[in-house]
Amino acid sequence: QQQVKQSPQSLIVQKGGISIINCAYENTAFDYFPWYQQFPGKGPALLIAIRPDVSEKKEGRFTISFNKSAKQFSLHIMDSQPGDSATYFCAASPNYQLIWGAGTKLIIKP
Amino acid sequence: DTEVTQTPKHLVMGMTNKKSLKCEQHMGHRAMYWYKQKAKKPPELMFVYSYEKLSINESVPSRFSPECPNSSLLNLHLHALQPEDSALYLCASARVLRTSGGPQGATQYFGPGTRLTVL
Repeated sequence: QQQVKQSPQSLIVQKGGISIINCAYENTAFDYFPWYQQFPGKGPALLIAIRPDVSEKKEGRFTISFNKSAKQFSLHIMDSQPGDSATYFCAASPNYQLIWGAGTKLIIKP
Repeated sequence: DTEVTQTPKHLVMGMTNKKSLKCEQHMGHRAMYWYKQKAKKPPELMFVYSYEKLSINESVPSRFSPECPNSSLLNLHLHALQPEDSALYLCASARVLRTSGGPQGATQYFGPGTRLTVL
């Protein structure tokens, strides 16, 4: 029940395309859903986060879609750029701990 | 300012050495974390400090010893490590959001990490 399942494991998208990463959870006590971006050798950086009282949040080219009834949330990256190539982690939080997805390695081809 | 700093950036140590990792934040956060991250894996929680007191120890071997001297600093003391302890060690901090229903999820801000190699 504490798991967050993330897919796909890896993703290749053409420059300018839309990158979509999906996550699913079981525990309805989770109340905070962040996405982190991590470049090799660096710490994770918060990209965007959502709470379950909204169904969508957009910040620039990044959008989280949240489906509370299905217990799923996804990250959409519009107009994907080579600089977006990184590993993306979804997470969920029931308190001040984070339950992490396994990560998605995103490659944007020029 | 959402910066968490960590020193050193890189550390190479032998199995008999004693070393320390340091982490600092000045955001007024009262929750601080140590994580271990292996290649191609998500961060793995080691310790959580809340209001300078150790609140969570995820069954970490005693060769890792955390310390929180004050609300801005977090140390991780290392002794008699094994080669399999080689990893990226991450520090993070967060506000503690207290609601009537208990602590609520808050954004964790990560430092750049210390790349540890144990020979």
